[in-house]
Amino acid sequence: GDKVKQSPSALSLQEGTNSALRCNFSIAATTVQWFLQNPRGSLINLFYLVPGTKENGRLKSAFDSKESYSTLHIRDAQLEDSGTYFCAAEAGTNAYKVIFGKGTHLHVLP
Amino acid sequence: GALVYQYPRRTICKSGTSMRMECQAVGFQATSVAWYRQSPQKTFELIALSTVNSAIKYEQNFTQEKFPISHPNLSFSSMTVLNAYLEDRGLYLCGARDNTEVFFGKGTRLTVV
Repeated sequence: GDKVKQSPSALSLQEGTNSALRCNFSIAATTVQWFLQNPRGSLINLFYLVPGTKENGRLKSAFDSKESYSTLHIRDAQLEDSGTYFCAAEAGTNAYKVIFGKGTHLHVLP
Repeated sequence: GALVYQYPRRTICKSGTSMRMECQAVGFQATSVAWYRQSPQKTFELIALSTVNSAIKYEQNFTQEKFPISHPNLSFSSMTVLNAYLEDRGLYLCGARDNTEVFFGKGTRLTVV
């Protein structure tokens, strides 16, 4: 099965609303990164996390290594938030190997 | 700060030819470099992991004969896609690690015509 499982696989949001994306790990993840790949294909680095939380503007992310999951919260969604969100985890047993999830396709509607 | 530059950002090659792409670490020492490929509509697959002073380890379905990698020092790595065909098109991503964190470049987008 997937070592890094993202949910939901796709999501549509009305502009101005909030949502949460999730990543579950079946590996012993030690760090997590979240990326946004915008509709033009450009990859934007959002967060790099050790266990704990980080916040940047309308985005907030948490990583719980004991419960093996991470979340990305989007507040007051804007049209430019549309794209594919990827989480990627680094496993403690093979700390140089980063495994990507399959992504969540987010579409923000006007 | 720590940055990873990849170039070219976009490239087109003819089917059957080869394409070399580069990854430059700035502001930190890249003790290991990983190369990934994102095929259209897919996620990022690990091609190989290169650690300085160790052999390069390729993942299943990827070989040195097809994707030779060079990692000559702590700031630079290159990978060549040899004999590229349609199935090799996609975004090639470089992730470089120092002792604390993995930093990713923005990728090289390869189109094969």
